[in-house]
Amino acid sequence: AQKITQTQPGMFVQEKEAVTLDCTYDTSDPSYGLFWYKQPSSGEMIFLIYQGSYDQQNATEGRYSLNFQKARKSANLVISASQLGDSAMYFCAMRGFSVKLSFGAGTTVTVRA
Amino acid sequence: NAGVTQTPKFQVLKTGQSMTLQCAQDMNHNSMYWYRQDPGMGLRLIYYSASEGTTDKGEVPNGYNVSRLNKREFSLRLESAAPSQTSVYFCASSGGGEKNIQYFGAGTRLSVL
Repeated sequence: AQKITQTQPGMFVQEKEAVTLDCTYDTSDPSYGLFWYKQPSSGEMIFLIYQGSYDQQNATEGRYSLNFQKARKSANLVISASQLGDSAMYFCAMRGFSVKLSFGAGTTVTVRA
Repeated sequence: NAGVTQTPKFQVLKTGQSMTLQCAQDMNHNSMYWYRQDPGMGLRLIYYSASEGTTDKGEVPNGYNVSRLNKREFSLRLESAAPSQTSVYFCASSGGGEKNIQYFGAGTRLSVL
Protein backbone atom coordinates (compact mmCIF):
# COMPACT_ATOMS: atom_id res chain seq x y z
CA ALA A 1 0.00 0.00 0.00
CA GLN A 2 1.08 3.54 -0.66
CA LYS A 3 0.50 6.55 1.53
CA ILE A 4 0.96 10.23 0.80
CA THR A 5 1.02 12.79 3.60
CA GLN A 6 0.65 16.53 3.17
CA THR A 7 0.79 18.12 6.61
CA GLN A 8 0.08 21.76 5.65
CA PRO A 9 -3.66 22.35 5.18
CA GLY A 10 -3.13 25.97 4.15
CA MET A 11 -0.34 28.45 3.51
CA PHE A 12 -0.04 32.14 2.77
CA VAL A 13 2.76 33.56 0.63
CA GLN A 14 3.58 37.06 -0.47
CA GLU A 15 3.59 37.74 -4.19
CA LYS A 16 7.06 37.27 -5.78
CA GLU A 17 8.29 35.13 -2.88
CA ALA A 18 8.98 31.40 -2.98
CA VAL A 19 6.88 28.80 -1.17
CA THR A 20 7.61 25.18 -0.31
CA LEU A 21 4.83 22.61 -0.03
CA ASP A 22 5.66 19.50 1.95
CA CYS A 23 4.94 15.95 0.83
CA THR A 24 6.10 12.71 2.40
CA TYR A 25 5.33 9.27 1.09
CA ASP A 26 5.54 5.64 2.04
CA THR A 27 5.78 2.69 -0.31
CA SER A 28 7.36 -0.74 -0.53
CA ASP A 29 7.73 -0.55 -4.32
CA PRO A 30 11.39 -0.18 -5.36
CA SER A 31 10.39 1.94 -8.36
CA TYR A 32 7.81 4.70 -8.21
CA GLY A 33 6.81 8.08 -9.55
CA LEU A 34 5.85 11.25 -7.72
CA PHE A 35 3.52 13.89 -9.11
CA TRP A 36 2.20 17.30 -8.20
CA TYR A 37 -1.14 18.63 -9.42
CA LYS A 38 -2.72 22.07 -9.08
CA GLN A 39 -6.44 22.58 -8.56
CA PRO A 40 -7.55 26.21 -8.94
CA SER A 41 -10.91 27.41 -7.67
CA SER A 42 -12.43 26.53 -11.05
CA GLY A 43 -11.95 22.88 -10.10
CA GLU A 44 -9.88 21.28 -12.82
CA MET A 45 -6.81 19.19 -12.00
CA ILE A 46 -3.67 20.43 -13.74
CA PHE A 47 -0.49 18.34 -13.90
CA LEU A 48 2.59 20.32 -12.81
CA ILE A 49 5.67 18.16 -12.40
CA TYR A 50 6.93 14.55 -12.23
CA GLN A 51 9.86 12.92 -10.43
CA GLY A 52 10.92 9.33 -10.97
CA SER A 53 12.41 7.45 -8.04
CA TYR A 54 15.59 6.68 -10.01
CA ASP A 55 16.04 10.16 -11.45
CA GLN A 56 19.41 11.53 -10.44
CA GLN A 57 18.38 15.16 -10.59
CA ASN A 58 15.48 17.03 -9.08
CA ALA A 59 12.74 17.79 -11.60
CA THR A 60 12.07 21.36 -12.70
CA GLU A 61 9.30 22.83 -14.85
CA GLY A 62 9.49 26.60 -15.18
CA ARG A 63 8.82 28.11 -11.76
CA TYR A 64 8.11 24.69 -10.25
CA SER A 65 10.82 22.47 -8.85
CA LEU A 66 10.65 19.27 -6.87
CA ASN A 67 12.98 18.83 -3.92
CA PHE A 68 13.31 15.03 -3.90
CA GLN A 69 14.99 13.46 -0.88
CA LYS A 70 14.69 9.72 -1.38
CA ALA A 71 16.19 8.64 1.94
CA ARG A 72 13.74 10.85 3.81
CA LYS A 73 10.88 9.83 1.48
CA SER A 74 9.98 13.42 0.79
CA ALA A 75 9.03 15.18 -2.45
CA ASN A 76 8.46 18.84 -1.66
CA LEU A 77 7.21 21.24 -4.32
CA VAL A 78 8.88 24.63 -4.54
CA ILE A 79 7.09 27.45 -6.36
CA SER A 80 9.41 30.35 -7.04
CA ALA A 81 8.39 33.97 -7.62
CA SER A 82 4.77 33.37 -6.61
CA GLN A 83 2.04 34.97 -8.66
CA LEU A 84 -1.58 35.70 -7.77
CA GLY A 85 -2.59 32.99 -10.22
CA ASP A 86 -0.74 30.42 -8.11
CA SER A 87 -3.50 30.61 -5.48
CA ALA A 88 -4.96 27.11 -5.59
CA MET A 89 -4.97 23.74 -3.90
CA TYR A 90 -1.93 21.56 -4.60
CA PHE A 91 -1.93 17.79 -4.44
CA CYS A 92 1.00 15.43 -4.16
CA ALA A 93 0.47 11.98 -5.67
CA MET A 94 2.42 8.80 -6.13
CA ARG A 95 2.36 5.74 -8.37
CA GLY A 96 4.14 2.45 -7.73
CA PHE A 97 4.19 -0.59 -10.02
CA SER A 98 0.48 -0.23 -10.72
CA VAL A 99 -1.00 2.49 -12.93
CA LYS A 100 -2.98 3.73 -9.91
CA LEU A 101 -2.26 7.07 -8.27
CA SER A 102 -2.57 7.70 -4.55
CA PHE A 103 -3.20 11.32 -3.56
CA GLY A 104 -2.49 13.35 -0.47
CA ALA A 105 -5.15 15.52 1.17
CA GLY A 106 -3.81 18.68 -0.46
CA THR A 107 -2.44 22.07 0.60
CA THR A 108 -4.24 25.34 -0.10
CA VAL A 109 -1.94 28.17 -1.15
CA THR A 110 -3.09 31.78 -1.02
CA VAL A 111 -0.85 34.36 -2.65
CA ARG A 112 -1.13 37.86 -1.19
CA ALA A 113 -0.48 41.00 -3.26
CA ASN B 1 -7.79 19.96 -28.01
CA ALA B 2 -10.61 18.36 -26.02
CA GLY B 3 -8.49 15.96 -23.92
CA VAL B 4 -10.79 14.31 -21.37
CA THR B 5 -14.48 15.22 -21.57
CA GLN B 6 -16.95 14.47 -18.80
CA THR B 7 -20.72 14.79 -18.91
CA PRO B 8 -22.73 16.08 -17.20
CA LYS B 9 -21.01 18.89 -15.31
CA PHE B 10 -23.67 19.05 -12.61
CA GLN B 11 -26.35 16.64 -11.47
CA VAL B 12 -28.85 16.45 -8.64
CA LEU B 13 -30.38 13.08 -7.80
CA LYS B 14 -32.85 11.81 -5.27
CA THR B 15 -31.86 8.90 -3.05
CA GLY B 16 -32.39 5.64 -4.92
CA GLN B 17 -32.19 7.08 -8.41
CA SER B 18 -29.65 5.79 -10.88
CA MET B 19 -27.42 7.61 -13.31
CA THR B 20 -24.39 7.17 -15.51
CA LEU B 21 -21.47 9.56 -15.70
CA GLN B 22 -19.84 9.61 -19.10
CA CYS B 23 -16.17 10.09 -19.89
CA ALA B 24 -14.39 10.20 -23.22
CA GLN B 25 -10.76 10.90 -24.13
CA ASP B 26 -9.29 11.75 -27.51
CA MET B 27 -5.61 11.19 -26.67
CA ASN B 28 -5.53 7.49 -27.63
CA HIS B 29 -4.71 6.57 -24.03
CA ASN B 30 -4.85 2.99 -22.86
CA SER B 31 -5.73 3.60 -19.21
CA MET B 32 -8.71 5.41 -17.74
CA TYR B 33 -9.78 6.15 -14.16
CA TRP B 34 -12.65 7.37 -12.03
CA TYR B 35 -12.02 9.31 -8.81
CA ARG B 36 -14.17 11.02 -6.26
CA GLN B 37 -13.11 14.13 -4.35
CA ASP B 38 -14.56 14.93 -0.96
CA PRO B 39 -13.59 17.94 1.21
CA GLY B 40 -10.32 17.44 3.06
CA MET B 41 -9.68 13.99 1.58
CA GLY B 42 -7.97 14.51 -1.74
CA LEU B 43 -8.92 12.21 -4.62
CA ARG B 44 -9.80 8.58 -4.06
CA LEU B 45 -9.81 6.01 -6.82
CA ILE B 46 -13.15 4.32 -7.46
CA TYR B 47 -12.39 2.11 -10.47
CA TYR B 48 -9.85 2.04 -13.22
CA SER B 49 -9.28 0.39 -16.55
CA ALA B 50 -5.63 -0.31 -17.30
CA SER B 51 -6.46 -1.21 -20.89
CA GLU B 52 -9.47 -1.70 -23.12
CA GLY B 53 -11.42 -4.74 -21.97
CA THR B 54 -10.24 -4.67 -18.34
CA THR B 55 -11.59 -2.97 -15.24
CA ASP B 56 -10.45 -3.15 -11.64
CA LYS B 57 -11.60 -1.87 -8.28
CA GLY B 58 -9.88 1.03 -6.64
CA GLU B 59 -10.00 2.25 -3.08
CA VAL B 60 -13.74 3.01 -2.82
CA PRO B 61 -15.71 0.87 -5.34
CA ASN B 62 -18.82 0.09 -3.29
CA GLY B 63 -22.02 1.45 -4.84
CA TYR B 64 -20.49 1.95 -8.29
CA ASN B 65 -20.09 0.03 -11.52
CA VAL B 66 -18.03 0.88 -14.59
CA SER B 67 -17.96 0.01 -18.25
CA ARG B 68 -15.03 0.45 -20.60
CA LEU B 69 -17.13 0.83 -23.71
CA ASN B 70 -14.17 1.14 -26.07
CA LYS B 71 -10.71 2.66 -25.95
CA ARG B 72 -12.12 6.18 -25.81
CA GLU B 73 -14.98 5.83 -23.34
CA PHE B 74 -15.23 4.83 -19.70
CA SER B 75 -18.53 5.27 -17.87
CA LEU B 76 -19.37 5.23 -14.15
CA ARG B 77 -22.81 4.08 -13.01
CA LEU B 78 -24.57 4.66 -9.72
CA GLU B 79 -27.33 2.05 -9.53
CA SER B 80 -29.06 3.38 -6.43
CA ALA B 81 -27.68 6.73 -5.37
CA ALA B 82 -27.13 7.49 -1.68
CA PRO B 83 -26.40 10.82 0.05
CA SER B 84 -22.90 9.49 0.84
CA GLN B 85 -22.21 9.58 -2.90
CA THR B 86 -22.53 13.36 -2.98
CA SER B 87 -19.12 14.36 -4.28
CA VAL B 88 -17.16 15.71 -7.21
CA TYR B 89 -16.27 12.98 -9.69
CA PHE B 90 -13.23 13.13 -11.93
CA CYS B 91 -12.34 11.00 -14.89
CA ALA B 92 -8.72 10.73 -15.99
CA SER B 93 -6.69 8.98 -18.64
CA SER B 94 -3.03 8.10 -19.12
CA GLY B 95 -1.00 6.91 -22.07
CA GLY B 96 1.69 4.75 -20.48
CA GLY B 97 5.45 5.19 -20.65
CA GLU B 98 7.76 5.90 -17.73
CA LYS B 99 5.81 8.88 -16.43
CA ASN B 100 2.30 7.65 -17.31
CA ILE B 101 0.90 11.07 -16.44
CA GLN B 102 -2.82 11.16 -15.75
CA TYR B 103 -4.82 13.94 -17.40
CA PHE B 104 -8.12 14.89 -15.87
CA GLY B 105 -11.53 15.97 -17.05
CA ALA B 106 -13.26 19.03 -15.63
CA GLY B 107 -15.26 17.03 -13.10
CA THR B 108 -18.92 16.32 -12.36
CA ARG B 109 -20.48 17.81 -9.26
CA LEU B 110 -23.11 15.37 -7.99
CA SER B 111 -25.57 15.99 -5.19
CA VAL B 112 -27.78 13.21 -3.83
CA LEU B 113 -30.70 14.44 -1.76
